[in-house]
Amino acid sequence: DIQMTQSPSSLSASVGDRVTFTCRASQGINNYLAWFQQKPGKAPKSLIYTATDLQNGVPSRFSGSGFGTDFTLSISSLQPEDFATYYCQQYKSAPLTFGGGTKVEI
Amino acid sequence: EVQLVESGGGLVQPGGSLRLSCVASGFTFSSSAMHWVRQAPGKGLEYVSGITSNGGTTSYATSVKGRFTISRDNSKNTLYLQMGSLRVEDMGVYYCARDGNWHISGWYVEWGQGTQVTVSS
Repeated sequence: DIQMTQSPSSLSASVGDRVTFTCRASQGINNYLAWFQQKPGKAPKSLIYTATDLQNGVPSRFSGSGFGTDFTLSISSLQPEDFATYYCQQYKSAPLTFGGGTKVEI
Repeated sequence: EVQLVESGGGLVQPGGSLRLSCVASGFTFSSSAMHWVRQAPGKGLEYVSGITSNGGTTSYATSVKGRFTISRDNSKNTLYLQMGSLRVEDMGVYYCARDGNWHISGWYVEWGQGTQVTVSS
């Protein structure tokens, strides 16, 4: 199985900050990488697919980069509604696997 | 507006069975592969199972293979997950998710709100 490792597991930030966190795959996955946002008690929301492409309706302050094994998700100017947990997921090969998440806190 | 509405969760004893359903609307259900993803209490997301748009191909996580069966009824716009030999570690919220392709690509476009499964004696 491909292991996905996210870092950090949590971070503290303020409204307006630029934040970046990473996701590393245990083997190359090309750009088959997605990012999700999840708020407490809510379903995940799809943000980014193929490492860099925003899902419809996702604000442009979100951006993704990377290829192969190392990926990043950035939020250019953190908004109050962005405080949540973010997960990466590889869909290069079965079984599909998720990272452990990065929690963004105030 | 795309909607995925799960149901069928509840309390079941270890070794018991449960069938989850996910009713879809707002898109052409028969054109999309579908998936089940779960989340144990306080834990991260875990892939459970997927099925192609016509139901011809399925996939399962190793942890549920042989115990869970995914299926779909395109005439009813409904996805199912038949769960058997349930274990405490199967407990959590089960989400259905729409794939962006007809085949099992794993590119999740939309998610349902989830249904809670509790396994306890």
